[in-house]
Amino acid sequence: EADIYQTPRYLVIGTGKKITLECSQTMGHDKMYWYQQDPGMELHLIHYSYGVNSTEKGDLSSESTVSRIRTEHFPLTLESARPSHTSQYLCASSGGTGGRHEQYFGPGTRLTVT
Amino acid sequence: KQEVTQIPAALSVPEGENLVLNCSFTDSAIYNLQWFRQDPGKGLTSLLLIQSSQREQTSGRLNASLDKSSGRSTLYIAASQPGDSATYLCAVRGGSYIPTFGRGTSLIVHP
Repeated sequence: EADIYQTPRYLVIGTGKKITLECSQTMGHDKMYWYQQDPGMELHLIHYSYGVNSTEKGDLSSESTVSRIRTEHFPLTLESARPSHTSQYLCASSGGTGGRHEQYFGPGTRLTVT
Repeated sequence: KQEVTQIPAALSVPEGENLVLNCSFTDSAIYNLQWFRQDPGKGLTSLLLIQSSQREQTSGRLNASLDKSSGRSTLYIAASQPGDSATYLCAVRGGSYIPTFGRGTSLIVHP
């Protein structure tokens, strides 16, 4: 079973608040990812990291930012939450060599901005 | 650019049926293909990973096959149960570490 954790699992917050979604993994993976997913819809990659101090934006434009100061930790921050940020946020990490490189997901954070 | 298509988008079957979910991809230069399960409101759970050099992988009632040259993978679920109801996604990984996901097949198994 994958050891990747996300907190909080659910968050309801008012417009304009700053929030940080936490993601941590204990597998020692260099690669970590953040996805955004609306109910019943496809996954959209919003950020990824290939290692400490390395972060890149994904395919979907996002107003969020990420940091990677430690291998095991990849938090996502929204400086000023808006109702359009309401969604599910999924964190993932991946590891293994060549064809055995496998991705694992956390349980997700369901964010509602009122 | 890699494109991944999953057919059908939704499937409803009676309990006990054997069923096949399809995943096709446009670029056959892949390292591996991963099948996931997602329950409503939850994260993705990895079911099977098939390396590009492999033809199939099995786990319990699940069997995944890969035909890289034709750009196809199938997930076979034997003797389906209501607990199998979920969305099944396939993801293809090429030269980068960023996988390309399909939109998923939503499966309902009714008693």
